[in-house]
Amino acid sequence: GAVVSQHPSWVICKSGTSVKIECRSLDFQATTMFWYRQFPKQSLMLMATSNEGSKATYEQGVEKDKFLINHASLTLSTLTVTSAHPEDSSFYICSARPPGYSPLHFGNGTRLTVT
Amino acid sequence: SQKIEQNSEALNIQEGKTATLTCNYTNYSPAYLQWYRQDPGRGPVFLLLIRENEKEKRKERLKVTFDTTLKQSLFHITASQPADSATYLCALPGLTGTASKLTFGTGTRLQVTL
Repeated sequence: GAVVSQHPSWVICKSGTSVKIECRSLDFQATTMFWYRQFPKQSLMLMATSNEGSKATYEQGVEKDKFLINHASLTLSTLTVTSAHPEDSSFYICSARPPGYSPLHFGNGTRLTVT
Repeated sequence: SQKIEQNSEALNIQEGKTATLTCNYTNYSPAYLQWYRQDPGRGPVFLLLIRENEKEKRKERLKVTFDTTLKQSLFHITASQPADSATYLCALPGLTGTASKLTFGTGTRLQVTL
């Protein structure tokens, strides 16, 4: 079955530093990947759509200069949280849809803690 | 405004019973609806998809219904087991403008006890 791998699974960083999260589709090519954020006891909120070879599309209220997305290949999208602050601490999850009519496959998420 | 509602309170049931979870939506007519399972600290896992022209869909012990008049989907787990304990999310396409994007409900946590 389709597998989406996310790395790292957790990261702790200091306030003001940047953190990069990787999302890979292991056995299929994904021209589009989605990045979600989930706060405790809340639902997944779509942050942005990552498009291979072009700029990402951000949802309303998401700062594109803070959450940098790069989709340089058909199997890799990265999310960089720049100048992280404690309020950025959250669970970040990526997803992709294999070609054809198929549901979303999610990575296992990255728990970001900013101290 | 368009929104998805799931019962935010945890559902506690005894092993062997049928669990029924509800997903309601308003001001919207989705072409399909999906259900996902999410375990703590993990990403969601797809379970079932039901289209607007389907009344019911089954997969092993799972059953989903879709009532487009009531704007409601019910998710049933029969003969529930402790391993079914998780948060179950419903998701609809297109609430944020394009059909490829999914919007998720807040999820209902199911706890199955012995």
